[in-house]
Amino acid sequence: QQQVKQSPQSLIVQKGGIPIINCAYENTAFDYFPWYQQFPGKGPALLIAIRPDVSEKKEGRFTISFNKSAKQFSLHIMDSQPGDSATYFCAAVEATSGTYKYIFGTGTRLKVLA
Amino acid sequence: DAGITQSPRYKITETGRQVTLMCHQTWSHSYMFWYRQDLGHGLRLIYYSAAADITDKGEVPDGYVVSRSKTENFPLTLESATRSQTSVYFCASKTGGNTEAFFGQGTRLTVV
Repeated sequence: QQQVKQSPQSLIVQKGGIPIINCAYENTAFDYFPWYQQFPGKGPALLIAIRPDVSEKKEGRFTISFNKSAKQFSLHIMDSQPGDSATYFCAAVEATSGTYKYIFGTGTRLKVLA
Repeated sequence: DAGITQSPRYKITETGRQVTLMCHQTWSHSYMFWYRQDLGHGLRLIYYSAAADITDKGEVPDGYVVSRSKTENFPLTLESATRSQTSVYFCASKTGGNTEAFFGQGTRLTVV
């Protein structure tokens, strides 16, 4: 079963638009929620991350909104650029017994049109 | 070179053959992970390791074997490759705590 559900599967926006990618989880043991960006032929790279005691985090044009009661979190990309075209993965991390399990969503392929 | 490296980058193998994918990191990170990436499934955890000689199963471990005799290496072996194991495999490493996991460039494996 998919422990982290991500939507949409793909997204096309015009330059300057604000794409929003959503993720939902069930396991309340998750305590760290990173977003990864992946360009074709490359490994994923950390974009931004949030802990559940924070409702919003901004880094440059990227913002995570976190709703702990709804067990949902989302990524907003302000003033999107063609260079933001990539696949985005949300993840949820469970730290138990001294180890860390990263569970990823299925990914969102974003295309920003010039 | 510093960082995390995977080898080979590309591999074609036949059904039933044993194949090993290598992962090496130079940071002495305690934690290492193997994922497979398939369209529609995202990244699925195969195995992870909290330290040398400590490994555990992830979401999709069947058909795979790992070992971690040294902190810096975490090889993944497909004992008898099947076509369903055709995928892109990513290795990752991290330190303790809620910190960034660093990914390698991936190995594209095709089983024919």
